[in-house]
Amino acid sequence: AQSVAQPEDQVNVAEGNPLTVKCTYSVSGNPYLFWYVQYPNRGLQFLLKYITGDNLVKGSYGFEAEFNKSQTSFHLKKPSALVSDSALYFCAVRDIVGTDKLIFGTGTRLQVFP
Amino acid sequence: SAVISQKPSRDICQRGTSLTIQCQVDSQVTMMFWYRQQPGQSLTLIATANQGSEATYESGFVIDKFPISRPNLTFSTLTVSNMSPEDSSIYLCSAGGDTYNEQFFGPGTRLTVL
Repeated sequence: AQSVAQPEDQVNVAEGNPLTVKCTYSVSGNPYLFWYVQYPNRGLQFLLKYITGDNLVKGSYGFEAEFNKSQTSFHLKKPSALVSDSALYFCAVRDIVGTDKLIFGTGTRLQVFP
Repeated sequence: SAVISQKPSRDICQRGTSLTIQCQVDSQVTMMFWYRQQPGQSLTLIATANQGSEATYESGFVIDKFPISRPNLTFSTLTVSNMSPEDSSIYLCSAGGDTYNEQFFGPGTRLTVL
C-alpha cells in the first residue's frame, strides 16, 4: 500500500535560515509525490510535485523538494525562511493502484521566528 | 489550475439535523473528492465522486451518513446526515488530479454540531 510519513510534528526555524520539512514514502511502483501548504483557516494550496525527471523540483513561493530514490525521501526545502512561511505542510503520494486518490501524511507545522 | 468554491463556509447545526455542502469548480473536471479534517490534523478521504457514477466511499464512511451528488462536471454536494457532535470538523472538497496532476482544494466548510 502507498503511504507517506512526516516524522516531525513541528519544525522551528529562524527567519533567514534554510528550512527542511521531511517526508519519506513507501510505494509499489513509481512514486508520484506532492507537497501542499495550509495557512490558518484556509484550504490546501499546491506547492510542487515529483512525477519523473530531475530529482530537484522547484515550486511556488521559493520552495523546492529533492526526490531521493535510494532513501525513499522527498524533503521540502527553502534556502531562506520567511515568517510568512509559517503554516501546516502536507506531503502526499498518489495511490496509482486504486482510485488515483491522494494519501496524505500527518502534516508538519512550520514555525518561523523573526 | 482550478478555482474551487464551497458553501457554506461555516455553520453551527443542531444534533440530528442534516447539512448539505456545495462545491463548485470553475472548469470541468472528471474527479472530485471529499475530505474531512480536524483542525491542525491531516486529511481523511471520505469519498471519490465521478460524474455519472456512484461515489466510491472509503472504509468507515457510508452513503447513508454522507450521501454525495455529482450532477455534472463542475459541481458536487456532500450531505452530512443525522449529525452528532462527533461530526464537527472541516469538510474540504477537491477536484482534478489524474495520475500526473495535482488536486486543487476548496477553502473548506467548518461545521460545528451542538
